[in-house]
Amino acid sequence: DVKVTQSSRYLVKRTGEKVFLECVQDMDHENMFWYRQDPGLGLRLIYFSYDVKMKEKGDIPEGYSVSREKKERFSLILESASTNQTSMYLCASSPPGGQGQPQHFGDGTRLSIL
Amino acid sequence: DQQVKQNSPSLSVQEGRISILNCDYTNSMFDYFLWYKKYPAEGPTFLISISSIKDKNEDGRFTVFLNKSAKHLSLHIVPSQPGDSAVYFCAASDRSNTGKLIFGQGTTLQVKP
Repeated sequence: DVKVTQSSRYLVKRTGEKVFLECVQDMDHENMFWYRQDPGLGLRLIYFSYDVKMKEKGDIPEGYSVSREKKERFSLILESASTNQTSMYLCASSPPGGQGQPQHFGDGTRLSIL
Repeated sequence: DQQVKQNSPSLSVQEGRISILNCDYTNSMFDYFLWYKKYPAEGPTFLISISSIKDKNEDGRFTVFLNKSAKHLSLHIVPSQPGDSAVYFCAASDRSNTGKLIFGQGTTLQVKP
C-alpha cells in the first residue's frame, strides 16, 4: 500500500514565523502535490512537483514556496505565516503520467496561525 | 472560475436507501473523473473513477455515471450504510501528464441508522 506521511498532525505557529510542512512518500512516485482544504472551498492546489527539483504553481501559490530535493520528500514552506493561512494542509503523490491515476493522500496537518 | 462544482453541500439519507451525489464540470477537455471519500482527521481516499469514453463504472455498492453532453457525473451508493457518512469530493483530470486533479467543493453525506 502507498504510504504518504505528513510530519505533523497538528501545528500551532505565530504570525510572521517561517513554517515548514514535510511530506514523505514511499512508493517512488514522480508526482507530489500540496493542497489546502477549507470549508466550502474543497481542495485547492498550492504547488505540485513532477520530478526532483521541479515545481509548478497551483491555483493559490501566494505566500507559499516548496522544495523537492529528493524524490520521496516534498516540503511546503510558509515564508511569513499569516492568520489567513490557518487551514488543513494535505500532501498527495501519484505515479507519472495522467490518465486518471489516483493521487494518494497523507492524513493532513491542521495548522493554526495565531 | 470553478471548473468542477458540487452544488449540494450536504445530503442526508436513511440507511439502506440510495445516496446520489452530483458533480458538474465546465471543461470539455477533462478525460478522467474520480471520486474521493474523506473522514474527519484523515486524508481523502480514492473510491472510483471513470474515463470520458465510458458512461458508467461500477464497483460493489458504488456506481459512477457520466453524462458528457450535460457535463455531469453522479455517484450512486446502494445500499447506503452509516459508515458511508463522510465528505465526498469529485475530481477531474485533463489530458496533460502532470497528474494534476481539479477538485469540487465536496458534499457531506450523512447516513442515518
